[in-house]
Amino acid sequence: EIVLTQSPGTLSLSPGARATLSCRASQSVSTSLAWYQQKPGQAPRLLIHDASNRATGIPARFSGSGSGTDFTLTISSLEPEDFAVYYCQHRSNWPKTFGQGTKVEIK
Amino acid sequence: EVQLLESGGGLVQPGGSLRLSCAASGFTFSSYVMSWVRQAPGKGLEWVSSISSNAVGTYYADSVKGRFTISRDNSKNTLYLQMDSLRAEDTAVYYCAKYDSNAWFDSWGQGTLVTVSS
Repeated sequence: EIVLTQSPGTLSLSPGARATLSCRASQSVSTSLAWYQQKPGQAPRLLIHDASNRATGIPARFSGSGSGTDFTLTISSLEPEDFAVYYCQHRSNWPKTFGQGTKVEIK
Repeated sequence: EVQLLESGGGLVQPGGSLRLSCAASGFTFSSYVMSWVRQAPGKGLEWVSSISSNAVGTYYADSVKGRFTISRDNSKNTLYLQMDSLRAEDTAVYYCAKYDSNAWFDSWGQGTLVTVSS
C-alpha cells in the first residue's frame, strides 16, 4: 500500500498570503496524484489531477507540481473561501489512498 | 448536472448490517467506475471500495474486505454498499463518488452517516 504523508498538519495564514502544501508518497506514483479541497460539512472537491492539471472551474491561483514521490499544492494568494482542509490522493494502484490532510486556517 | 444521492445510513449495533444506496443522475451511469469513500468523525478521507462500470471488477480496502460488498444496478442508475459485521470503527459519513475517465473522483454525493454503537 502506498502511504501519502502530508505536511504541515495545519497551516495558519492570512488572506492574501501564499500557501504551500506538501504531499510525499512512500513510493513513486509518477504524476498520478490529485488534490481535493473539503470545507466543513461539505463533500470534497477535486482541485488538481495528474499532479499539475486544474480541474474544471478551479481558479488559476491553485497550482500543483511534482512527480515521483514529492508533490506540492500552491495557493498563490489566499481568498477567504480557500480556508479548508486539503487532501492528496494517488491512483497508481489499489488501494487508492488519501493523505491525512492539511488544514489551512485563518491566522 | 451530475447528482449523487446517498441513503440508508443510520444507527446500528455492533455486528449488525446496513445497506447503503446511491442514486445517480445527470450522466451515463453505466459508463463509469463508482466508489465509496468514508470519513470518520473529525478524521480524514478513507477509500472503501470501487466497482467497474460493468460490475465485473470490485475492489476493497483491507479494513472492510470480507465484510462489505459493493454492487450496482445499471438499469436503476444505483450504487450499493452492503455492510455486514459492522464495528464501532466503521462509524463514518459514507460518500458515493464517481470516477472521471482518468480515475479521479470528479463528483461526490453529500454523504450518509453510519453510526455503529450499542
